[in-house]
Amino acid sequence: GAVVSQHPSRVICKSGTSVKIECRSLDFQATTMFWYRQFPKQSLMLMATSNEGSKATYEQGVEKDKFLINHASLTLSTLTVTSAHPEDSSFYICSARDVRTESYGYTFGSGTRLTVV
Amino acid sequence: KQEVTQIPAALSVPEGENLVLNCSFTDSAIYNLQWFRQDPGKGLTSLLLIQSSQREQTSGRLNASLDKSSGRSTLYIAASQPGDSATYLCAVYTGKLIFGQGTTLQVKP
Repeated sequence: GAVVSQHPSRVICKSGTSVKIECRSLDFQATTMFWYRQFPKQSLMLMATSNEGSKATYEQGVEKDKFLINHASLTLSTLTVTSAHPEDSSFYICSARDVRTESYGYTFGSGTRLTVV
Repeated sequence: KQEVTQIPAALSVPEGENLVLNCSFTDSAIYNLQWFRQDPGKGLTSLLLIQSSQREQTSGRLNASLDKSSGRSTLYIAASQPGDSATYLCAVYTGKLIFGQGTTLQVKP
């Protein structure tokens, strides 16, 4: 089945620095990938839709300049948290959909736990 | 605005019990509904996907139903096991995935 790989799984960074998270579709091409954020004991909130070769579409309330998304190839999307602050600490998950499959279901990465100190 | 609600928020059962998790959504204009499992600190594992034209899907001990007109879906888990302990999330696809808050299940040995 479709596999989405996400790295790193955990990262600790100092306040004010930037962190890049990678999301790769391993055995399929994904023209669209999605980035979610999850706070403790809460559900997933869609942050943005990453489109290959074009600008990402951000959800209302998500700062474009803070959460930079690049989707340079059909198998890789990156999320960069710029000038990170402690309030950016969260669990970030990416997902993609393999449109070749009949189910059109979503496959998720294993997530990245970001801690800003 | 589509809203997805899951009841109960938490559930604890003894091993071997059959159980039902509920999911409701406010707008019936969905393309499909997907049930996921999330273990603590991990990503999501897809369990079942039901297209809007379907009524149910089965995989092993899991059965998911969909009643689009009433905005409801249920996930039935038969003969629960401690390994089933996790958070279960339902999500509807309307052009983007909208998630419920999840039901945290604990199956006690």
